[in-house]
Amino acid sequence: EVQLVQSGAEVKKPGESLKISCKGSGYSFSNYWIGWVRQMPGKGLEWMGIIYPGDSDTRYSPSFQGQVAISADKSISTAYLQWISLKASDTAMYYCASPGAPAVMDAFDIWGQGTMVTVSS
Amino acid sequence: EIVLTQSPGTLSLSPGERATLSCRASQSVGSRYLAWYQQKPGQAPRLLIYGASSRVTGLPDRFSGRGSGTDFTLTISRLEPEDFAVYYCQLYGGSFTFGGGTKVEIK
Repeated sequence: EVQLVQSGAEVKKPGESLKISCKGSGYSFSNYWIGWVRQMPGKGLEWMGIIYPGDSDTRYSPSFQGQVAISADKSISTAYLQWISLKASDTAMYYCASPGAPAVMDAFDIWGQGTMVTVSS
Repeated sequence: EIVLTQSPGTLSLSPGERATLSCRASQSVGSRYLAWYQQKPGQAPRLLIYGASSRVTGLPDRFSGRGSGTDFTLTISRLEPEDFAVYYCQLYGGSFTFGGGTKVEIK
């Protein structure tokens, strides 16, 4: 079964760092683009960026460029989303998602279950 | 950067009625790279339509998508109870911009 499994919920303080993960299974992880999507409480979906694990080619939404870092370790079929210094406004659900076809930036057919990040003092 | 504007923000309808959701792009996007998703409370989004009009495998044919250029539509011909949810359009293929969403609620 093709699936993306994300790391668990996090509660952090402003200024702390964080790295959340998304592990793929049931398919050739290296050959599929994998993206990250933010959903703030009660709000819509926002695309953050996308990475191709095969060569780590990474693209960011202008809104998130410089705010987060996306990486991947193809040896363990895992993608990451990282913050150096969290803000309260980073409180949101974060989803990883992947197209259903290899090597193409296609619509997101496969979604992780989401990771809730809460940033509060 | 292309902006996708969805309307209406909320659609109040009864089961069995027809739902028509609009997604307008700030500039032409062709037709190949427009998708629609459904999201229910507490769940991850689910892909419904890609390429503006292609249904994913297993999607009931009461869902249909059409459009090209800057204007796209998702139609649900007869609403079933499980169709009440939030729907998002998305541009993909380089950028992956989402629209703001349309909530389809029970009247």
